Amino acid sequence: EFVLTQSPGTLSLSPGERATLSCRATQSVNSNYLVWYQQKPGQAPRLLIYGASSRATGIPDRFSGSGSGTDFTLTISRLEAEDFALYYCQQYGGSGWTFGQGTKVEIK
Amino acid sequence: EVQLVESGGGLVKPGGSLRLSCAASGFTFSNHNMNWVRQAPGKGLEWVSSISTYSTYIYYADSVKGRFTISRDNAKHSLTLQMNSLRVEDTAVYYCARAQWSYAFDIWGQGTMVTVSS
Repeated sequence: EFVLTQSPGTLSLSPGERATLSCRATQSVNSNYLVWYQQKPGQAPRLLIYGASSRATGIPDRFSGSGSGTDFTLTISRLEAEDFALYYCQQYGGSGWTFGQGTKVEIK
Repeated sequence: EVQLVESGGGLVKPGGSLRLSCAASGFTFSNHNMNWVRQAPGKGLEWVSSISTYSTYIYYADSVKGRFTISRDNAKHSLTLQMNSLRVEDTAVYYCARAQWSYAFDIWGQGTMVTVSS
C-alpha cells in the first residue's frame, strides 16, 4: 500500500517566518506526479504545486516545491496572513491517487 | 468562468443509494480527465474515483470499489457518481475536480455533503 506521510502535523509560526513542510512516501514517487494543495476552512482545496516544483497559475513565488524519490518539501519563504491553512501532498500511482494526511500551518 | 458545480448530496440511510452530479462550464469538458475526492468531517482528503476523457480508463479507491460507479456525459458537460450500498463511513463532502495535463487537480467544485445515518 502506497502511503504519504506529512510532517509535522501542525506547524506554529509567525507571519514573515519560513515554513518547511515535508511529504515522505513509502515508495519512490515519479516527481512528475507529486502535487501540493492548500485548503482553508470551508473551502475546496487549491492547487499550489504540480510536478513537485512547478507553481500553478497565480501562485505567488514565496511558495516553492522540491524533492525527489521518496522525500518532498513545500517551502513558504515568508508567511503571510493568508497562508495559514492546511496543506496536502498528493501523488499519482498509475491507477489512482493518494493524499497525505495534511499539515496545518497555524499562527503562533 | 471555469466552474464545477456539484449537486445531489443529502441524508441517506445505511445501505441506501445516492447519485451525485457535477456540472462543468467554461472549458472543453471532453479534454480533461475528471475525479471525485471526498473529505469526511474534520478529516483529510481521500481520492474516490477517476475517469478519463472518453471513459476508457476508470479507477476507484479500494474503499468504494464495487459500490460506486463514475460516469460522464461529454455532450452534457457532466460528471456523475452513483453511490450504492452506502455506509456510515461514506459520510463526507464530495468534490468533483478537473485534472490538468499533469494529472494534478487544478479546478475543484464547492463540494456537496453526503450524510449516511440511520
